[in-house]
Amino acid sequence: SQTIHQWPATLVQPVGSPLSLECTVEGTSNPNLYWYRQAAGRGLQLLFYSVGIGQISSEVPQNLSASRPQDRQFILSSKKLLLSDSGFYLCAWTRSHSGNTIYFGEGSWLTVV
Amino acid sequence: AQSVTQLGSHVSVSEGALVLLRCNYSSSVPPYLFWYVQYPNQGLQLLLKYTSAATLVKGINGFEAEFKKSETSFHLTKPSAHMSDAAEYFCAVSDEGSQGNLIFGKGTKLSVKP
Repeated sequence: SQTIHQWPATLVQPVGSPLSLECTVEGTSNPNLYWYRQAAGRGLQLLFYSVGIGQISSEVPQNLSASRPQDRQFILSSKKLLLSDSGFYLCAWTRSHSGNTIYFGEGSWLTVV
Repeated sequence: AQSVTQLGSHVSVSEGALVLLRCNYSSSVPPYLFWYVQYPNQGLQLLLKYTSAATLVKGINGFEAEFKKSETSFHLTKPSAHMSDAAEYFCAVSDEGSQGNLIFGKGTKLSVKP
């Protein structure tokens, strides 16, 4: 069966510090991978998605970036965090066909102080 | 472009009462529709999914949703609320222009009173 894991689960970082959140999927190959963010009262915001190694689509301009160095690995990064980057970050995957279920990781809480 | 509207950011019901969470969508093609549930500090979990096989879709935990094309709706219901149903619920529609992306509504937080 397929599993998805992301870490760390909780992170407190000072403004201006770097960020790295990692996500891995097991039990499938060539998945679509996603990073979403939840800020209080704002629902789910799609940040990045990837349909293959090295292929990243950005949905919103921001100071975050994503990379996919391996087929089942998706990394969310920032060189310098802003207060507004605080939120709950969710990694997700799906098989690359419209209508397939998206499966989510456990989430990572980021607090920028 | 597709979109999803969830009416009511907060819904409160008494234990044992009917749960009704509303979702309306817009799509120029037959949509795939989803309901997800999120418990506090957790990721989203699939409740149910509409793929055109049947208009009434049954999901986990006693929830079901009915696809009504004429009303462009996909409301989520449960006959009798339990305390454990307290969570945030998200409706989503498949993005016709992409390979598997979903467009989510803003979510409805369900509270259940004893």
